[in-house]
Amino acid sequence: GDSVTQMEGPVTLSEEAFLTINCTYTATGYPSLFWYVQYPGEGLQLLLKATKADDKGSNKGFEATYRKETTSFHLEKGSVQVSDSAVYFCALRGGTGGFKTIFGAGTRLFVKA
Amino acid sequence: EAGVVQSPRYKIIEKKQPVAFWCNPISGHNTLYWYLQNLGQGPELLIRYENEEAVDDSQLPKDRFSAERLKGVDSTLKIQPAELGDSAVYLCASSLSAENTEAFFGQGTRLTVV
Repeated sequence: GDSVTQMEGPVTLSEEAFLTINCTYTATGYPSLFWYVQYPGEGLQLLLKATKADDKGSNKGFEATYRKETTSFHLEKGSVQVSDSAVYFCALRGGTGGFKTIFGAGTRLFVKA
Repeated sequence: EAGVVQSPRYKIIEKKQPVAFWCNPISGHNTLYWYLQNLGQGPELLIRYENEEAVDDSQLPKDRFSAERLKGVDSTLKIQPAELGDSAVYLCASSLSAENTEAFFGQGTRLTVV
């Protein structure tokens, strides 16, 4: 079945450092790909999405490119802030799972001032 | 516009007791989801509703879990009886339709079974 694998955390960075969180997926068909973020004490929020190969999703300085050839959707940000500290989830929807969103295990990010 | 509202936020119960969670989706959203999130893991779908019909409940443990969505709006998820292993966060989400790709999540209900 479909699955999402993302790098284990926690990831600890200093403010203004470059961030990469790796995400790879396994799916048949042409799924849509997402990054969700969960801030402490809050629900999941959609951060960005891409619906087809080579699409780049971007929001709040974060970006990710849908790479079908490497089945990847890595999250990047050029300069992180303390307020970016959260758990980030990579997810897919629309492969063999149909309308079910399949999530990775999440990667916790800590940003130090 | 109000988001997805869930209650209660936290619940502590003894094992073998029943428990219920409530979800009010975003107005106009036809599709409603219940997800289970264990500690350190991503959410996993329990059940999906299209209006009042449960169209995907394949992951719902039907021996102890039940759900309903009367009138195609609010939904409740029930566990009876609860077991220690049910301790987790229960998330509700909604979207305009199943085809619409963006789902909006509530804050979740954190259940602790002691």
